Amino acid sequence: QQQVRQSPQSLTVWEGETAILNCSYEDSTFDYFPWYWQFPRESPALLIAIRPVSNKKEDGRFTIFFNKREKKLSLHITDSQPGDSATYFCAASATGNTGKLIFGLGTTLQVQP
Amino acid sequence: DPKIIQKPKYLVAVTGSEKILICEQYLGHNAMYWYRQSAKKPLEFMFSYSYQKLMDNQTASSRFQPQSSKKNHLDLQITALKPDDSATYFCASSQGSGASDYTFGSGTRLLVI
Repeated sequence: QQQVRQSPQSLTVWEGETAILNCSYEDSTFDYFPWYWQFPRESPALLIAIRPVSNKKEDGRFTIFFNKREKKLSLHITDSQPGDSATYFCAASATGNTGKLIFGLGTTLQVQP
Repeated sequence: DPKIIQKPKYLVAVTGSEKILICEQYLGHNAMYWYRQSAKKPLEFMFSYSYQKLMDNQTASSRFQPQSSKKNHLDLQITALKPDDSATYFCASSQGSGASDYTFGSGTRLLVI
């Protein structure tokens, strides 16, 4: 059973558009939600993260919207650039849970110039 | 300079053999982890260590054994290798189990033939 679910599996947008990546989770003890991006043949790198005390976290063109009641979050990438083309992973962790990160299966984003 | 060093970068092994994947981190973190990434199960948590003690083990097989000789080392020994073990193995570290400063190494790509 996948504890962290992501949709869509793949997404293509045009340069300048807003890409929306969705994530949902099952475990209500999760209290830390990082998004990682991964380029081909590279390791995952932290992009942006949020804790449930907030319902929004912004960093430049990247914004996380968080809905604790529905156990859903989304990553919005505004003014998408070809360099944003990567696989995006939503992850979740619970404090005191040995530091383990539970990853979703990822969304592969392609930004067309 | 890379903060987490994984060796080797690529590894080809024969079915039934044994290999050791090396991980050293120079971030001063006290928690280290192993993850596996394959086409079937992207970014799957394997182990977590804190202060050289095993905190969590999510691998079903005893063929995978982490080894921590120093605080900043966490090697992964894999015995009786199978083709299904082919994957990229990522080492990661963080300061404590809060996971907010997770850093991944560049990975070891293992191919078992």
